[in-house]
Amino acid sequence: EIVLTQSPGTLSLSPGERATLSCRASQSITSGYFAWYQQKPGQAPRLLIYAASSRATGIPDRFSGSGSGTDFTLTISRLEPEDFAVYYCQQYGSSPFTFGPGTKVDIK
Amino acid sequence: QMQLQESGPGLVKPSETLSLTCTVSGGSISSYYWTWIRQPPGKGLEWIGYISNIENANYNPSLQSRVSISLDTSTNQFSLTLNSVTPADTAVYYCARSTSWYQNAFALWGQGTLVTVSS
Repeated sequence: EIVLTQSPGTLSLSPGERATLSCRASQSITSGYFAWYQQKPGQAPRLLIYAASSRATGIPDRFSGSGSGTDFTLTISRLEPEDFAVYYCQQYGSSPFTFGPGTKVDIK
Repeated sequence: QMQLQESGPGLVKPSETLSLTCTVSGGSISSYYWTWIRQPPGKGLEWIGYISNIENANYNPSLQSRVSISLDTSTNQFSLTLNSVTPADTAVYYCARSTSWYQNAFALWGQGTLVTVSS
């Protein structure tokens, strides 16, 4: 099973700042089958990025994904008030599909 | 616009069977991968398994002995069955759809349904 480790656990930033979230895998992710999700309290997760760097439908271009192999990054170029949430990384290249423990982005 | 909606009992007794259904509206179930994911209260996400449009299923080994996912194209629904539940199975259960037939990221989610395992 591929274990995903996210850092930091919590990121405290102000609106307008840049957020950089990291995810490291215990093994190389097959074919870049890697995704990022946003989850707000009481809501289902929302897909932001798939295939490591492709934005999902309707996702603003302030969200971008990069990385390959075992190291992946989600960048939010300028935080909007609605971006404060928990972010999960996920790999779907090897079964069982696994999620990271999440990074909480909160308001400083 | 395709939508997913989970349904099923909100309370299940220990040792009994949890059964949930996901109804797909606004599109056909005859494509994509269809997945179940759960989230214990206050915790992270756990992939349970998926079924493809040709009914090829793949399960998390941690649940494989107790879980089954099935597809019903006549009703545009897919279902989850989890046997011999314990309080550790208490969670919000989500159904989800893949991004495409070759990208199995979860592009579309149901709102989730809380299932509590308790006597």
